[in-house]
Amino acid sequence: QQQVKQSPQSLIVQKGGISIINCAYENTAFDYFPWYQQFPGKGPALLIAIRPDVSEKKEGRFTISFNKSAKQFSLHIMDSQPGDSATYFCAASVTGNTPLVFGKGTRLSVIA
Amino acid sequence: GAVVSQHPSWVICKSGTSVKIECRSLDFQATTMFWYRQFPKQSLMLMATSNEGSKATYEQGVEKDKFLINHASLTLSTLTVTSAHPEDSSFYICSASERGGAEKLFFGSGTQLSVL
Repeated sequence: QQQVKQSPQSLIVQKGGISIINCAYENTAFDYFPWYQQFPGKGPALLIAIRPDVSEKKEGRFTISFNKSAKQFSLHIMDSQPGDSATYFCAASVTGNTPLVFGKGTRLSVIA
Repeated sequence: GAVVSQHPSWVICKSGTSVKIECRSLDFQATTMFWYRQFPKQSLMLMATSNEGSKATYEQGVEKDKFLINHASLTLSTLTVTSAHPEDSSFYICSASERGGAEKLFFGSGTQLSVL
C-alpha cells in the first residue's frame, strides 16, 4: 500500500517559472516530511524538510507548504533553472528509528 | 554537512557470483543505516534497516539469505548480493542519519550493479 502519493509524475517548466510538486499522505502518525533531489546515477540529496507544527518553510528558492488537515504538502521551486532539472521525491516518516516512505517521484525538466 | 560514502559506484559481475557493497559514514557515527533499491525511473524501495551490532531488519519480500547485510561498526555497513542473477541488476543506495531514524538522512552516491 502506497502511503505517500506524489504528483505529477513529470513536469516541464519554463526557465524562471515556478515548479510545484504535490504529495499526500495517509498515515496521521507521520511527523517528518522531507524533499529529496536526485540526479541520474546519483543518490538522493536532502533539499528541505518540514514538521507539522509549521505551515510553511522556505530555504532559498525552495519552499514547502504543509496542510495538516488535508494531509498534503508541496514543494515550490521559485525562479526554476535548467540546473534544477532532476527527479524530486517527497517522503514521510514517524520520528524515531523508522525509515522514510518515499513518493514515486517527479521528473522535472526546466527548459530555457 | 554529513557525508555518506558508498563503494563501488558501479560493478559488473557474472551470474552466480557475489558482490559486496560498502557504505561508510565519514564524519559521524550511524547506529542505523538503511539500504534501498531503485529500478530505472522508479522510486526508492527500502530493502532493510541495518543496526550496528545486531541483525538487519528486512522488508517483506526481500530475501535475507540473498541480500546479506552486516553493520559491524558505527561507520560501516555492507550489503552482499549473493549468487547474483540478472534480475538483481539494479541501483543500490545506502543511507545513514546523524540523529538516528529518518531525520536528516544522508544518502550514498549509489552502486549500479549489472549482472551478466
